[in-house]
Amino acid sequence: QKEVEQDPGPLSVPEGAIVSLNCTYSNSAFQYFMWYRQYSRKGPELLMYTYSSGNKEDGRFTAQVDKSSKYISLFIRDSQPSDSATYLCAMLIQGAQKLVFGQGTRLTINP
Amino acid sequence: DTGVSQDPRHKITKRGQNVTFRCDPISEHNRLYWYRQTLGQGPEFLTYFQNEAQLEKSRLLSDRFSAERPKGSFSTLEIQRTEQGDSAMYLCASSLTARSYEQYFGPGTRLTVT
Repeated sequence: QKEVEQDPGPLSVPEGAIVSLNCTYSNSAFQYFMWYRQYSRKGPELLMYTYSSGNKEDGRFTAQVDKSSKYISLFIRDSQPSDSATYLCAMLIQGAQKLVFGQGTRLTINP
Repeated sequence: DTGVSQDPRHKITKRGQNVTFRCDPISEHNRLYWYRQTLGQGPEFLTYFQNEAQLEKSRLLSDRFSAERPKGSFSTLEIQRTEQGDSAMYLCASSLTARSYEQYFGPGTRLTVT
């Protein structure tokens, strides 16, 4: 079993929809939770990070962490075609240096 | 542009040849990381440097792979005797020492071994 599981999709939604992307994990030592966006043939771009549990909002993006369920989510409001990309969740144990990534979810926003 | 840069962006080589990739991190970042990403998968950690010291290596980093960061600035990743299974995107990232949760990635080097 992988430490971090992410539904690879693909996920296709109409423009303006609310998108929910999710990851589950098995290692309770993870303390930092990150979301990256990766366009085709590009490097991952850090969207946001969250420490421990709770919500964090940045513009149209909201990250949510539920440590009791070992479940994290990224919500995208008012989705735009430019949001079409692969979204990767990543996790980090406090004091460690290596990010552990999910498989990535491929998202398409249709105009 | 003050982001992470990588060179070359794409490398095609024949099986058995040696290849070397270069990464230039964000200038004030003293941590530098290498990851490998295969098609349809998330990046996997290979190794990281704190300044010029290589402090951790993944079991994925076989003895054909070597990484250096001689002056604590740019880094190189060399693969000797390449195999078709080495075909992947090689990603470099950097961060400040106390902020490993904020790793910024370069555009990657796509390696194709024929």
